[in-house]
This record gives sequence, structure tokens and C-alpha cells, in this order.
Amino acid sequence: SAVISQKPSRDICQRGTSLTIQCQVDSQVTMMFWYRQQPGQSLTLIATANQGSEATYESGFVIDKFPISRPNLTFSTLTVSNMSPEDSSIYLCSGSGTEPYEQYFGPGTRLTVT
Amino acid sequence: GQNIDQPTEMTATEGAIVQINCTYQTSGFNGLFWYQQHAGEAPTFLSYNVLDGLEEKGRFSSFLSRSKGYSYLLLKELQMKDSASYLCAFMDSNYQLIWGAGTKLIIKP
Repeated sequence: SAVISQKPSRDICQRGTSLTIQCQVDSQVTMMFWYRQQPGQSLTLIATANQGSEATYESGFVIDKFPISRPNLTFSTLTVSNMSPEDSSIYLCSGSGTEPYEQYFGPGTRLTVT
Repeated sequence: GQNIDQPTEMTATEGAIVQINCTYQTSGFNGLFWYQQHAGEAPTFLSYNVLDGLEEKGRFSSFLSRSKGYSYLLLKELQMKDSASYLCAFMDSNYQLIWGAGTKLIIKP
């Protein structure tokens, strides 16, 4: 199994600023994903982080707002740009192994935008 | 199209048994997952079913019927610590997880 860590665990940011969230996996994973979870709701996939190339974004999410990097197989970052209060959410990083059932989640980053 | 549905909230008594149902529709299927999520924490993996039938793991069991697009999570001998949200998700043909909205389970003494 893989252990995923995220930094920061939480932050309070001002409107108009940007925050970069880091995700580190303790072993190589095939795919890495970024999710958003609004309070009391389920997970919404933002994008798939691709190693060495541009991330694949889901409908409703764009690179200018959520730039993602994945320089290697164990590390990825998500930036939430030009934040507004609507971006207040928990952001989760996940990784998957070679088998479909190998899905791992980081502890999440709780973001509050004031 | 793709669709997944589970009850919003359920209540059960400590020591009892509860079954949380999940129905889904998809053209491509690579397995059904159940996750547990305590408030303010990340989801933790409970089970994965890709073939029909019942998978038992301690107090938790998960069932899948692919022909009916149906799964359930069975929790036995409920404990107060089982109070959490239970998320159902299926993996589609692109190996992407499609998530249900989650079932909030409330355990009463």
C-alpha cells in the first residue's frame, strides 16, 4: 500500500490570493488525482495529474484556475489561483497503483477563503 | 450515461446490523468500492467488488450484483465509532472513480 501526505493540512487565505498544495506519496503510483469535497458532499474530481505533461481536467475545472504539476511519480502540486470564498473546501490528493482496487487518499487540505 | 445513487442518511442502534444500498448505471465497469469517511477526515478504503457475490471482512461485508447494478455494504455489531459517512463509487471503463453522494450513518446507543 501507499501512504500519501499533504501540505498544508489547513489554511485560511484572503480573496484574490493563491495557495499551492503539495502531495507526496511514499512509493510510486501509476496515477494521481486531485479532488474537491464541499462540506457534507461527496468527492468531485478536479483533474488527473499526469507525469511530465499537462493535467487532464474535468468539466468545470480549468488550468488557469487550478494549475497542477507532477514532476515525478511520487509528487504533485495543485494551486488554487485567485481564490474566492466559493473555493473554500477540502482538497484531496489520491493515488492509484497498478491494480484498480489500489486507491489511496491523502489526509486532505482544508481551505477557507475569507 | 453514468449514475450512482445511495441514501442520504440512515440511523441504527449500537450492536445492531445495518445495510447501506447503492445502485449504479454505467456502460463500462471495473469494480465497485466502499469507503468510510469520518467528519473532517479523508476517505478510507473498506472494500472492492468486481465479481458478483458477497465479500466478508470482519464486521463489514460488501455485496455486488452486476446485472442489477446493485451493491450493498453490511455492517454488523455496530459500534459508536462506525458513525461516519459511507461512500459508494464505481470505476468506469477509463479507470476513473465515479462517486455517490455518501450515506451518513448515525449510531444511537
